[in-house]
Amino acid sequence: NAGVTQTPKFRVLKTGQSMTLLCAQDMNHEYMYWYRQDPGMGLRLIHYSVGEGTTAKGEVPDGYNVSRLKKQNFLLGLESAAPSQTSVYFCAIAGTPSSYNEQFFGPGTRLTVL
Amino acid sequence: DQQVKQNSPSLSVQEGRISILNCDYTNSMFDYFLWYKKYPAEGPTFLISISSIKDKNEDGRFTVFLNKSAKHLSLHIVPSQPGDSAVYFCAASAWGGATNKLIFGTGTLLAVQP
Repeated sequence: NAGVTQTPKFRVLKTGQSMTLLCAQDMNHEYMYWYRQDPGMGLRLIHYSVGEGTTAKGEVPDGYNVSRLKKQNFLLGLESAAPSQTSVYFCAIAGTPSSYNEQFFGPGTRLTVL
Repeated sequence: DQQVKQNSPSLSVQEGRISILNCDYTNSMFDYFLWYKKYPAEGPTFLISISSIKDKNEDGRFTVFLNKSAKHLSLHIVPSQPGDSAVYFCAASAWGGATNKLIFGTGTLLAVQP
């Protein structure tokens, strides 16, 4: 997981509260991704970015917003948290694909919404 | 609709024996496949990949086999070691969108018994 950090590592929210998860990378990679992992569901893509200033929706974007104001940072926001958003959130990065590139993952943020 | 399926939630193998993890996919546009390994409380780490132009890729104790006609791939670990105990995710990608997006399976928990 070297090169990709996630802040915070753990968080407990009450329904309706808001928060922002930060993903930071020092590998100068163009592509950044936010996933959530739920039991029996694997990893599902929430939003992604193919470069500074760009964002796009993934498989499960509802209830989340993202921003990529700086190349090295990708923020995931929850405006009004719901219990269904209780999950482990992973950030990943990848280089610009001239060919296929594997994604490198951060250590994760465990979020509980009560 | 799950495009990448790992039908075995768990697998138990004796140390020194072969572990075979299976993955099926439905989307014929997928042309690049990856395996990730995940320990508890850590992010997934890339293990091995294969392009659709190949039917086998080997890296040390790990070999991935691809059967395009059956839309099936498998990961072989020989010999299995206790440190291999982890959750293994299969992932697939379709070249052409230049987004490097991955679709993940639900994972298989491998337990290697000493």
